[in-house]
Amino acid sequence: DIVMTQSPDSLAVSLGERATINCKSSQTVLHRSNNKSYLAWYQQKPGQPPKLLIYQASTRESGVPDRFSGSGSGTDFTLTISSLQAEDVAVYYCQQYYGSPETFGQGTKVEIK
Amino acid sequence: QVQLVQSGAEVKKPGASVTVSCKTSGYTFIDYYIHWVRQAPGQGLEWLGWINPKRGTTDSAPKFLARVTMTSDTPINTAYMQLNSLRSDDTAVYYCARGGPPYADRAPYHIWGHGTMVTVSS
Repeated sequence: DIVMTQSPDSLAVSLGERATINCKSSQTVLHRSNNKSYLAWYQQKPGQPPKLLIYQASTRESGVPDRFSGSGSGTDFTLTISSLQAEDVAVYYCQQYYGSPETFGQGTKVEIK
Repeated sequence: QVQLVQSGAEVKKPGASVTVSCKTSGYTFIDYYIHWVRQAPGQGLEWLGWINPKRGTTDSAPKFLARVTMTSDTPINTAYMQLNSLRSDDTAVYYCARGGPPYADRAPYHIWGHGTMVTVSS
């Protein structure tokens, strides 16, 4: 199985400041034939299902604010919230959909400082 | 719009089975995988497997292979997940989610159901 490890487990950021979450996979999730990394980021608020934010490591889902961005390739990835808003308080998960079983990171809780 | 509507909460005894349904609308059911993901209380997300509704083929995480059955009823655009031999640690919210089209590029889960709480307790 591909193990996904996120860091940190939680972080507190002031409103308007940058939040950065890292995700590392135990094996590459880069498909060499098309140079795509099959890595997604989801946001989950209490009592709600996860919401897709980013896929293929850096493609923003339709309707997602542009303060959310994804970067990275291969085994190391980052989700950045450029200017944290109150509505961004949530748990964020990375997921690899490169291989079976599809696996998620343990989650990173983002709070307001 | 695309919707995935799941069945209601269930309470089961250890050793029993549970079936969760996922009724879809707003798109062509047979054209997309349906994935099943669960989340134990206060915990992270865990993938159970997927079904190709057109062919009925499935793939499951090894951990669940012996206990999970995923099926689809194409005339009513509904997918089902049955989990057998329930244990207390199967207590979780079970989600269905729409994946990508078969025979196309790999895809994440753009649309999720609202979740079904399954409680296993004696």
